[in-house]
Amino acid sequence: DAGVTQSPTHLIKTRGQQVTLRCSPKSGHDTVSWYQQALGQGPQFIFQYYEEEERQRGNFPDRFSGHQFPNYSSELNVNALLLGDSALYLCASSLGVSNQPQHFGDGTRLSIL
Amino acid sequence: GNSVTQMEGPVTLSEEAFLTINCTYTATGYPSLFWYVQYPGEGLQLLLKATKADDKGSNKGFEATYRKETTSFHLEKGSVQVSDSAVYFCALLYGGATNKLIFGTGTLLAVQP
Repeated sequence: DAGVTQSPTHLIKTRGQQVTLRCSPKSGHDTVSWYQQALGQGPQFIFQYYEEEERQRGNFPDRFSGHQFPNYSSELNVNALLLGDSALYLCASSLGVSNQPQHFGDGTRLSIL
Repeated sequence: GNSVTQMEGPVTLSEEAFLTINCTYTATGYPSLFWYVQYPGEGLQLLLKATKADDKGSNKGFEATYRKETTSFHLEKGSVQVSDSAVYFCALLYGGATNKLIFGTGTLLAVQP
């Protein structure tokens, strides 16, 4: 039973560039949420995708965008990268939009130079 | 708004000591409550959950009870091991329209042999 998988594991970019991160949900899950975890902090909610639509969004600028594909996998795109975007980006999957637990991948470590 | 407050770390214990990590929350209604654990360089793993008042979640010797009257969800373990060294996050979740996890800042646990 494959868990949540994310790629790449590490990424180094420079300011102003654009980046795409990818996530495959746990088998049987149809909802994908993205979180940003700064060093020494708890994860912060970016947005959530269900039925290929963005259902809700946290307090992040429009530079952060996403997509969900028919196979439930998802991408997170960040444009015009800033130094402050350096963080661990976590993808979590769950079944539907109930209060069931979200299961996390190991994350993508993004470093901005 | 909804929030989670955890005791600050690091918490340093000797092997076989008793562990308590305090967690309190502010929320309207009745969220589900979770403890997640993060080992170095990894994503978050679900440790335990409770979905309603007086529920006790348990896993791998860890326990936490959902206390509505004190809005708390303290994590306990009777005898910690070196392998329990990690960062522990308390989180709350509502289902439905606001299906996102809200995390505390995390508590680093260091267990010494």
